[in-house]
Amino acid sequence: ELKVEQNPLFLSMQEGKNYTIYCNYSTTSDRLYWYRQDPGKSLESLFVLLSNGAVKQEGRLMASLDTKARLSTLHITAAVHDLSATYFCAVIGGFEGYGNKLVFGAGTILRVKS
Amino acid sequence: EADIYQTPRYLVIGTGKKITLECSQTMGHDKMYWYQQDPGMELHLIHYSYGVNSTEKGDLSSESTVSRIRTEHFPLTLESARPSHTSQYLCASSELVGGEAFFGQGTRLTVV
Repeated sequence: ELKVEQNPLFLSMQEGKNYTIYCNYSTTSDRLYWYRQDPGKSLESLFVLLSNGAVKQEGRLMASLDTKARLSTLHITAAVHDLSATYFCAVIGGFEGYGNKLVFGAGTILRVKS
Repeated sequence: EADIYQTPRYLVIGTGKKITLECSQTMGHDKMYWYQQDPGMELHLIHYSYGVNSTEKGDLSSESTVSRIRTEHFPLTLESARPSHTSQYLCASSELVGGEAFFGQGTRLTVV
C-alpha cells in the first residue's frame, strides 16, 4: 500500500522565519505534486516535480524531489502571513496495483504569525 | 487556465434525499476524479474515470455512484443521503493518467 507522510502536520511560525515541510512516500515514484488549499477552498497546484533532483521555486517557496530517498521538501523562506494555508503533497501510485492515481498526504497546516 | 466547475458550492439536505453533485470541465480531459475531504483532513479518492463509459471505485469505499456519459461531465449521485455523508467533495481532472490534476471549487455537503 502506498503511504504518503507529511511532517509536520501543523506548523506555526513567525513572519520572516524559514522552515521546511517534508513529504515521504513509501513506493517508487518519479512524479510528485505540491498543492495549496486555503480554508474552505479548493486545491491550487503549486509545483510539479517530474524527476530526481528536480527543484522548482516560486516566490518564497521552493520544492525539491529526491526519488532515491523517496522524499520531497517544501522550503519556506522569510514567511509572510499570506502563506498561511494547508499544503499537500501528492504522489503517483506507480505500478503496484495503484493505477497511477494520485495519493495525497495528510496535509500540513501552516500558520504565519505577525 | 484550469476550467473545472462544481455545483452546488454548498448544499444542506435532509436524510434520505437523493442528491447529485455536478462537475464539468472544459479542458477536454479524459481523466476525471472525485475526492472526499473532511474538514482539516486529507483527500480520499472515491471514484475515477479514464474516459466516456468508464468508471471505477477509488480507495475509499463510498455509497455514492458516478456516471460518465460525456467527456466533460462527471456527476456524483447519492441515492439516499445520510449524516455520515457530510463532507466536502472535490472534483478534479487531468490530461494524462498520473498527470497534474486540476481541481474544482468543491461542494460542501451537510446532511441533517
